[in-house]
Amino acid sequence: EPEVTQTPSHQVTQMGQEVILRCVPISNHLYFYWYRQILGQKVEFLVSFYNNEISEKSEIFDDQFSVERPDGSNFTLKIRSTKLEDSAMYFCASSDYSNEQFFGPGTRLTVL
Amino acid sequence: GDSVTQMEGPVTLSEEAFLTINCTYTATGYPSLFWYVQYPGEGLQLLLKATKADDKGSNKGFEATYRKETTSFHLEKGSVQVSDSAVYFCALRGGTSYGKLTFGQGTILTVHP
Repeated sequence: EPEVTQTPSHQVTQMGQEVILRCVPISNHLYFYWYRQILGQKVEFLVSFYNNEISEKSEIFDDQFSVERPDGSNFTLKIRSTKLEDSAMYFCASSDYSNEQFFGPGTRLTVL
Repeated sequence: GDSVTQMEGPVTLSEEAFLTINCTYTATGYPSLFWYVQYPGEGLQLLLKATKADDKGSNKGFEATYRKETTSFHLEKGSVQVSDSAVYFCALRGGTSYGKLTFGQGTILTVHP
């Protein structure tokens, strides 16, 4: 069964460093999403991406964040200068026209 | 804005007990409603959904009915199993959204033999 994959499973970085979280969505999907979950809190929407551009983003998704689909398979989330409060589990999701979102297992980001 | 509220957890049950996890929502327009489940070490999986009022979503013995009058989408199962132990998330997709999901805080369910 096709699935969304994410790498790495755990990323540890120093405050102020740049990180790139990678996702491989399901191959025939067209809509891509990033969510995050700070420990003990709700899963929060960050951004949606369709047709090579951002279609919707939340207040969390400020200038420190960017997304890219650099080739036909990967979908990345970049955080330019990480802060302590960026520590969270980051989930990638993808969907086709049915809009049923399939989620990856997540990347745990720890900022020290 | 849109919001989802789930009952406080965690929930601990014995096998074959009846499960209810409450979920209420606030949204403009006509949202679609979802229950997602997260097993340890895995991503969120869609458990069931309902797209309009009075729809009943069901899967794997779980059910939830979209109640517009009470703005609720409570999850129920008549007889839980140890394998149902997981975190359950209620979510909505607003009527004007491109696909953004708004989640509740999640409810940890533990089922003992």
